[in-house]
Amino acid sequence: GDSVTQKQGQVTLSEDDFLFINCTYSTTTYPTLLWYVQYLGQGPQLLLKVTTANNKGISRGFEATYDKGTTSFHLQKASVQESDSAVYFCALGPSNTNKVVFGTGTRLQVLP
Amino acid sequence: AQTIHQWPVAEIKAVGSPLSLGCTIKGKSSPNLYWYWQATGGTLQQLFYSITVGQVESVVQLNLSASRPKDDQFILSTEKLLLSHSGFYLCAWSLLGGLSQNTLYFGAGTRLSVL
Repeated sequence: GDSVTQKQGQVTLSEDDFLFINCTYSTTTYPTLLWYVQYLGQGPQLLLKVTTANNKGISRGFEATYDKGTTSFHLQKASVQESDSAVYFCALGPSNTNKVVFGTGTRLQVLP
Repeated sequence: AQTIHQWPVAEIKAVGSPLSLGCTIKGKSSPNLYWYWQATGGTLQQLFYSITVGQVESVVQLNLSASRPKDDQFILSTEKLLLSHSGFYLCAWSLLGGLSQNTLYFGAGTRLSVL
């Protein structure tokens, strides 16, 4: 079945550090790939999405490239801020179902 | 603009007691609606989805049920709570059909503690 893997459970950085969150996926369809961000006590918010392979999504300084060859959708940001502290979920939306599959999430803590 | 409202914000309930959680979507006609459950510090597990009034599909069996009595309303309920029902319940909507249906917009959630 469809699945998403996020290997990093927690990432701790200092302000202005480079962020890299690993995400790989497995599917037999042509999915939409998404990143959601969940701030403490809130529901997840869509951060960015990419519907076409080899395209890049960019939002609020974050970017992710839909790499069909390596089945990856890693999230990056050049310079993190303390306000970026949150849980980041990679997600896969298969093209033929009504279900979005989420990864286990990566908790980002940015120290001032 | 679309708004999604969940109620209550939080609940503390006893094992074996009934539960009803609600969700209302305003500003969007005939959306897909979803219930998700999130254990503390955990991932998001889809429970139910509905594409139209009166039709609800179950994704996992957790001794919960869902109903869609109106186009803009989605209800999650059970007659008998278990300890394992504790967690964060999230309602979400998406546009109907095509790739847009994979973009979910979540409510603020209801935190449930079963004691």
